[in-house]
Amino acid sequence: ELKVEQNPLFLSMQEGKNYTIYCNYSTTSDRLYWYRQDPGKSLESLFVLLSNGAVKQEGRLMASLDTKARLSTLHITAAVHDLSATYFCALTNTGNQFYFGTGTSLTVIP
Amino acid sequence: GAGVSQSPRYKVAKRGQDVALRCDPISGHVSLFWYQQALGQGPEFLTYFQNEAQLDKSGLPSDRFFAERPEGSVSTLKIQRTQQEDSAVYLCASSLRQAGYEQYFGPGTRLTVT
Repeated sequence: ELKVEQNPLFLSMQEGKNYTIYCNYSTTSDRLYWYRQDPGKSLESLFVLLSNGAVKQEGRLMASLDTKARLSTLHITAAVHDLSATYFCALTNTGNQFYFGTGTSLTVIP
Repeated sequence: GAGVSQSPRYKVAKRGQDVALRCDPISGHVSLFWYQQALGQGPEFLTYFQNEAQLDKSGLPSDRFFAERPEGSVSTLKIQRTQQEDSAVYLCASSLRQAGYEQYFGPGTRLTVT
């Protein structure tokens, strides 16, 4: 079974600061996803990373994938309050299942 | 266009009752997934349909859980004789093509078993 670990689980950061969320996984995966979830809401797709070295950026968020290290990162630049949410990485192997990480709960403090 | 919708959004059931949760996927999406999300956890896979065929039900936690998608569009997740440990948010997702492609999630049904 594919295992997905995220760290940190909880992150409190000040507005304007930078930080990185890490997603490690245990076996080869075809593609990696990052999702955002606001309290009481469903999951919103942020990024899909398809190959080694892939980097995608949207606003203050940038995601990257290193398939050799089995690691993806979600980098937050100059955080703002609106980014407060829980962030999940998820992977799929050749099967049908998405495997989600435990999530990183991000709180941006003014 | 319309996204994935789920109903009801909230359901309170007494232990032992049966419940049925509905999912309307995005029109034309071939694949449909059900997930269970416990409080403070990531979603966990329950089952997967490709059109009307249930190709994977390995995540269903017990034989009290049953899912169907008889016409390849709307799906129902049924839980019989609910237990307190069934309390969770049940998420439905659909995907345009076969499994492994980007999934679009519905708002979820929060089930509370008392």
